[in-house]
Order: sequence, then C-alpha cells, then structure tokens
Amino acid sequence: DQQVKQNSPSLSVQEGRISILNCDYTNSMFDYFLWYKKYPAEGPTFLISISSIKDKNEDGRFTVFLNKSAKHLSLHIVPSQPGDSAVYFCAASAVNNAGNMLTFGGGTRLMVKP
Amino acid sequence: DSGVTQTPKHLITATGQRVTLRCSPRSGDLSVYWYQQSLDQGLQFLIQYYNGDERAKGNILERFSAQQFPDLHSELNLSSLELGDSALYFCASSAQGAGNTEAFFGQGTRLTVV
Repeated sequence: DQQVKQNSPSLSVQEGRISILNCDYTNSMFDYFLWYKKYPAEGPTFLISISSIKDKNEDGRFTVFLNKSAKHLSLHIVPSQPGDSAVYFCAASAVNNAGNMLTFGGGTRLMVKP
Repeated sequence: DSGVTQTPKHLITATGQRVTLRCSPRSGDLSVYWYQQSLDQGLQFLIQYYNGDERAKGNILERFSAQQFPDLHSELNLSSLELGDSALYFCASSAQGAGNTEAFFGQGTRLTVV
C-alpha cells in the first residue's frame, strides 16, 4: 500500500511558465514533508521541506503548499528553467517514528522545454 | 556534492554471490540510512543506523544486513544475490536520529546481478 503517491509520472512545461507537481499521502501520522530532485546517475538532492504546522514554505523559485485536510501537497516552480528538468520525489516522515526514515512517492519526471 | 560518499559506483556480480556496499556520511552526521531503488520504483527505505545502533528497519530482506562502525561509516551487505536484487542502492545521512530533518543522499551504487 503506497502511503505517498505521485499520480503524474511526467509533466512537460514551457520555459518561464509555472510547474506544479502534486503529491498525495494517506498516513495521517506524517507531519514533515520534503521534495527532492534527482538527475540521472546522481543521488536525490534536497530541495525544500514543510512542517505540518505550516501550509506554505517558499525558497526562491520553489514553493511547497500543504493541504492537511486533503492530505495533499504540491511543489510550484516559478519560473521554470530547462535546468529544472529532472525527476522530482516527494517524501514524508512521521515524528512518532523511532527513527527518521522517509517514505517516498514514485516520482514525477519534469521536462522544461526551451 | 552532498558530502555523502558511496563506493563502489557500479558493481556487477553473479547470482548467489555476496557484495558489500560502503557509505561515508557527511561530516558530523550521526545517522545513516539505506534505500533501494529498483527499476520503475520509488525509493524504498531499508534500514537506519544512529551512532552505531540500529534505529529503524524497513522492508529489508533477511539476506541483507548492515552495520555502522565507530567512525560512523556504514556497510550494507547483500548475500545470496538474486536477479531481482539488481537496483540502485542509496545511502543518506542526517545529523539527527529522529525528528523532522532532511537527509542528504550519496550518488548511489548501481548493482547488477547477472
């Protein structure tokens, strides 16, 4: 049972426009959410995170929105650049975990066209 | 560069064999995590160590084991290898053992079992 889902396997956006990547989760114990970007042949790179006590967190061109009632989060990239083309993973963790393991979604491949 | 170092980058071995993957965490990080990414799958959490002790366990097969040494580097041992064990294996590290914090990933070891 996938606790974190990214229902869009791919997304294509024109350079300069907004990219919106979506993520849904089912485990109500999750209280910390992260987005990672992954290029081929590299490990995931941390982008931005949000705690469940917030509904928005912004860092430069990247903004993450959290809707707890809908168990949904999204990553907005504005403006999108060709270098943003990568696979994006959302991840979640629960503070009650004994450790700090992350549960990942399946990823969305973003292609930004020049 | 995340600061997490994994060796080797590539490994090709035969079924039934045993291999060891190595990870050096970022300087100062006490937690090490191992994740597996199979073809067309998201990242699956395997196991976490914190300051030498096992902290959390995910879907790790009994044929797999790990440990974290006093110098905080970690090794993942995979034995009686099967074709289905072919995957990318990522190591990540974080400063904390629990709580909401991002993990930083290495570049991964690509294991091919033939």
